[in-house]
Amino acid sequence: GQQLNQSPQSMFIQEGEDVSMNCTSSSIFNTWLWYKQDPGEGPVLLIALYKAGELTSNGRLTAQFGITRKDSFLNISASIPSDVGIYFCAGRMNYGGATNKLIFGTGTLLAVQP
Amino acid sequence: DAGVIQSPRHEVTEMGQEVTLRCKPISGHDYLFWYRQTMMRGLELLIYFNNNVPIDDSGMPEDRFSAKMPNASFSTLKIQPSEPRDSAVYFCASSLTGRAFFGQGTRLTVV
Repeated sequence: GQQLNQSPQSMFIQEGEDVSMNCTSSSIFNTWLWYKQDPGEGPVLLIALYKAGELTSNGRLTAQFGITRKDSFLNISASIPSDVGIYFCAGRMNYGGATNKLIFGTGTLLAVQP
Repeated sequence: DAGVIQSPRHEVTEMGQEVTLRCKPISGHDYLFWYRQTMMRGLELLIYFNNNVPIDDSGMPEDRFSAKMPNASFSTLKIQPSEPRDSAVYFCASSLTGRAFFGQGTRLTVV
């Protein structure tokens, strides 16, 4: 199935450090979403982006919708232990006649050392 | 709002048996997505509906998988017959304005 290219695959950082991850695709998206998944739970929506160039914050999280509409990044500032989890990007696209198809990136595993 | 509700949370079944997973989307949402999550393949989109109509089922692995949405408040994903390689976590998500919200998933184990 289709997936977005997400990097890095994993990150091991010290508490207090800033984190950056991104997603890229060869396809154009009309919405970018960022999720966090904890073990045994479903993905939880963190940030939604609707326009090219849009920059949106949610507390220590900041995400941007790339100008080309083919990429997005997520930054986490001053990481804390509870930031541990898997982060996914997701994009909504119109593809082959199917509208608003929502596909996911491969995920970034974040580990934070206290 | 109770969020997206999936049942059961866990299902263990024997190979060859029929399995039915259930989903109740958030009231008022017009899109419903079914995903499968495995370590090897990540989150794969299986099928999605808009206003109860299937839009794209190209992600359904094979004819053993089928999904229905008889009304705006209920959807099922059925596997018949089940095989060990179907073992995974299956998620349902619903959306209205572009933001999609997930259920807690059904962990399926086929032995």
